Amino acid sequence: AQTVTQSQPEMSVQEAETVTLSCTYDTSESNYYLFWYKQPPSRQMILVIRQEAYKQQNATENRFSVNFQKAAKSFSLKISDSQLGDTAMYFCAFKITGTASKLTFGTGTRLQVTL
Amino acid sequence: GAVVSQHPSRVICKSGTSVKIECRSLDFQATTMFWYRQFPKQSLMLMATSNEGSKATYEQGVEKDKFLINHASLTLSTLTVTSAHPEDSSFYICSAATGLEGETQYFGPGTRLLVL
Repeated sequence: AQTVTQSQPEMSVQEAETVTLSCTYDTSESNYYLFWYKQPPSRQMILVIRQEAYKQQNATENRFSVNFQKAAKSFSLKISDSQLGDTAMYFCAFKITGTASKLTFGTGTRLQVTL
Repeated sequence: GAVVSQHPSRVICKSGTSVKIECRSLDFQATTMFWYRQFPKQSLMLMATSNEGSKATYEQGVEKDKFLINHASLTLSTLTVTSAHPEDSSFYICSAATGLEGETQYFGPGTRLLVL
């Protein structure tokens, strides 16, 4: 069974600063995907970034980037130039290859961006 | 990204009644949809995986007779909470998998259910 661990329940960052959210996972699978989802106060789950395990290059999406360390089973999210709108719950998620395979979520990190 | 809608966004019902929640993929076909439940300040808990034209696969501990799932088409899945009780009050979220884009699941906006 797969597990996803987010060890930081809450984090705070000042506007325009950079913050890194941690995520580790455990699996015996070799082909899988990793995701970061954001859930703002509206509770709509929004995809932030996706990483395919077979790709060595770290994914980036504008101000969001990941540090994917496959051997260490680590998948951290870096948010650069933090904005007030980044305030949300962030969930790390794992799924094995296959459209019907389920997502396994971490417990989430609540990020507060302050002025 | 792909768009998933849910209806209703909020529902209040009396104990003992049934409530149906719809999940639609608006701009893509989804052979697989997923239903989650989320308690306040907690992560998402998968309830079941819904495949078009076949029976849903329920997670351990989820009562299939209480949470009826129907995936009648490639764009619509429904969750019916039967004989609802106050403990069923929760936030229910669906997601749909495109089969493309790294097999990403896109989520609906959720339905808040309150059973009185």
